[in-house]
Amino acid sequence: AQSVAQPEDQVNVAEGNPLTVKCTYSVSGNPYLFWYVQYPNRGLQFLLKYITGDNLVKGSYGFEAEFNKSQTSFHLKKPSALVSDSALYFCAVRDGSNTGKLIFGQGTTLQVKP
Amino acid sequence: DTAVSQTPKYLVTQMGNDKSIKCEQNLGHDTMYWYKQDSKKFLKIMFSYNNKELIINETVPNRFSPKSPDKAHLNLHINSLELGDSAVYFCASSRTGYNQPQHFGDGTRLSIL
Repeated sequence: AQSVAQPEDQVNVAEGNPLTVKCTYSVSGNPYLFWYVQYPNRGLQFLLKYITGDNLVKGSYGFEAEFNKSQTSFHLKKPSALVSDSALYFCAVRDGSNTGKLIFGQGTTLQVKP
Repeated sequence: DTAVSQTPKYLVTQMGNDKSIKCEQNLGHDTMYWYKQDSKKFLKIMFSYNNKELIINETVPNRFSPKSPDKAHLNLHINSLELGDSAVYFCASSRTGYNQPQHFGDGTRLSIL
C-alpha cells in the first residue's frame, strides 16, 4: 500500500540557518510527490512537486526539495530560514490507483526562532 | 478573487442535527475534493468529483453525502451529526491529471456540542 512518512513532529531552526523537513515514501511505480504548507486557520498551499526529471526541484518562497529514489525520500529544504516560514508542512504522494488520490504524511511543524 | 471558497467558515451545532457545507472554485478546474482534518492535523480524503462524476468515495459513513451540481461547485451534506464529526473540512480543486497540484479552501471548522 502507498504511504508517506514524516518522521519528525517538529523541527526547530534559528532564523538564517538552513532547514530540512524530512519525508519518505512507499509507492508502487513512479512516485508523484508534493509538498504543501499550512498556516494557522488557512488551507494548504502548494509549494512544489516532483514528477520526473531533475532530482532537485525548486518551488515557491525559496523552498526546494531533493528526490532520492534509492532512499525513497523527498526532503524539503531551504538555504536560509525566515521566521515567517514557521508553519505546518505536509508531504504527499499520489497513490497508484486510477483515481490518483493524494496520501498525506502526518505533518511536520516548523518553528523558526529569531 | 478567492480561488476556492467555502461557506460557512465556522459551524457550531448540536448532535443529531443536519448541516451542509458549500464549496465553489473559480479556477476552471474539473476535479474537486473534500478532505477531513482531525484535531491532530491528520488530513484524509473523503470524496472527489471529476466533471460532476464521483471518482473517490473513501470509507466514510453514509451520513455524509456529497453533491456536485456543476464543475465549479461541490457541497457536503451531513445528516445526524455526531461528536466525532467535529473537525475541519477542506474543499480543494485541481485540473485532471496526476501531476496537477490541488488548491485548497480555508476550511470549515465544525464543532458539535
